[in-house]
Amino acid sequence: KAGVTQTPRYLIKTRGQQVTLSCSPISGHRSVSWYQQTPGQGLQFLFEYFSETQRNKGNFPGRFSGRQFSNSRSEMNVSTLELGDSALYLCASIRSIDVNEQFFGPGTRLTVL
Amino acid sequence: AQSVTQPDIHITVSEGASLELRCNYSYGATPYLFWYVQSPGQGLQLLLKYFSGDTLVQGIKGFEAEFKRSQSSFNLRKPSVHWSDAAEYFCAVGGTGGYNKLIFGAGTRLAVHP
Repeated sequence: KAGVTQTPRYLIKTRGQQVTLSCSPISGHRSVSWYQQTPGQGLQFLFEYFSETQRNKGNFPGRFSGRQFSNSRSEMNVSTLELGDSALYLCASIRSIDVNEQFFGPGTRLTVL
Repeated sequence: AQSVTQPDIHITVSEGASLELRCNYSYGATPYLFWYVQSPGQGLQLLLKYFSGDTLVQGIKGFEAEFKRSQSSFNLRKPSVHWSDAAEYFCAVGGTGGYNKLIFGAGTRLAVHP
């Protein structure tokens, strides 16, 4: 069974630009969560989607948004990039909303210059 | 507030020695508890999880963890460390009942000396 796929793996942007990251969960998994990992703040929850609906949201500004498609693939978008948005963005695939067991993808390394 | 504390930022052990990584949590309800490992430049790999039942859980790569409710702890152990275990280890706590947000500790970086 294929794992979680995240694209692109690496991304370089400049301040003020926007970026879209993609995540394909494990086949059959219907829920996706996103996390930001930085050296200073560690791993922080961004949001969770299930059946195209956002179920939970972390404490991030509105510049961070996401969505989920009918095939369970998810995208997250960051607008008006800031230097502090440089991070590893991890997507997690969750089999069902009743069992909180999360399988992570390799992440997208975003660098903002 | 919900939180996870990993008191040790860095740990160095010799290959073949035993290992214990500490994790303490604060969570109002019955928690789901996890240990993840992350190699440099990689995502997180699930080592083991505790949902309920037997408080000693076995995971992959020879790791085990023990849930102690009275101490709010979920320490990770391995009887004999291999050089390939060098990585960063994260303890996490999550909710039940469909609340899937994970709260992570700051991580413990493990170095293994030959």
